[in-house]
Amino acid sequence: DTGVSQDPRHKITKRGQNVTFRCDPISEHNRLYWYRQTLGQGPEFLTYFQNEAQLEKSRLLSDRFSAERPKGSFSTLEIQRTEQGDSAMYLCASSPGGSGEQFFGPGTRLTVL
Amino acid sequence: AQSVTQPDIHITVSEGASLELRCNYSYGATPYLFWYVQSPGQGLQLLLKYFSGDTLVQGIKGFEAEFKRSQSSFNLRKHTVHWSDAAEYFCAVGAGNTDKLIFGTGTRLQVFP
Repeated sequence: DTGVSQDPRHKITKRGQNVTFRCDPISEHNRLYWYRQTLGQGPEFLTYFQNEAQLEKSRLLSDRFSAERPKGSFSTLEIQRTEQGDSAMYLCASSPGGSGEQFFGPGTRLTVL
Repeated sequence: AQSVTQPDIHITVSEGASLELRCNYSYGATPYLFWYVQSPGQGLQLLLKYFSGDTLVQGIKGFEAEFKRSQSSFNLRKHTVHWSDAAEYFCAVGAGNTDKLIFGTGTRLQVFP
């Protein structure tokens, strides 16, 4: 399967702990996006990479969130000092650029106790 | 500011009936418009997209959508609904130079036999 993959699929953590999620985009896609989806809502944009450069961050992305995409391949999203409000589905998508569609991974469901 | 509105939170139809899901958008320039479907435990799958040209676009699984600039709408239709179409449907607009997606809150489709 050559689609977008995310790991882990589920993560349960205690408040205050740090968590890290990984996204492997479709190879050769230079654009990578992170979104967050809470229950009953549509996904909300968090951040965007073009190759290894992080070019846009949403105001939703507090200082506790950091994302990287070393070498323009996989990406990681880290949340420090998790809060219960961070509980959500974190979605990764990649795109070949231009006006191409975004291909989504299955998501990582985070539960903060 | 860009936004997407899906007025119907929940729609129920009988199998074999026709379907129309509403979507209204707010965007200053010519929009890139998308419909995605999300089944439980699955990632978002693109049904169809509009970039330019013919305002009636065909997608996968027998879905179509019509772009109406005068009404700022991009409604999704299907002539004959199947039980497997039960899912959450999201309308989205591609915004800015990064083409990040702005999603509506979704419409949950329930199909009765």
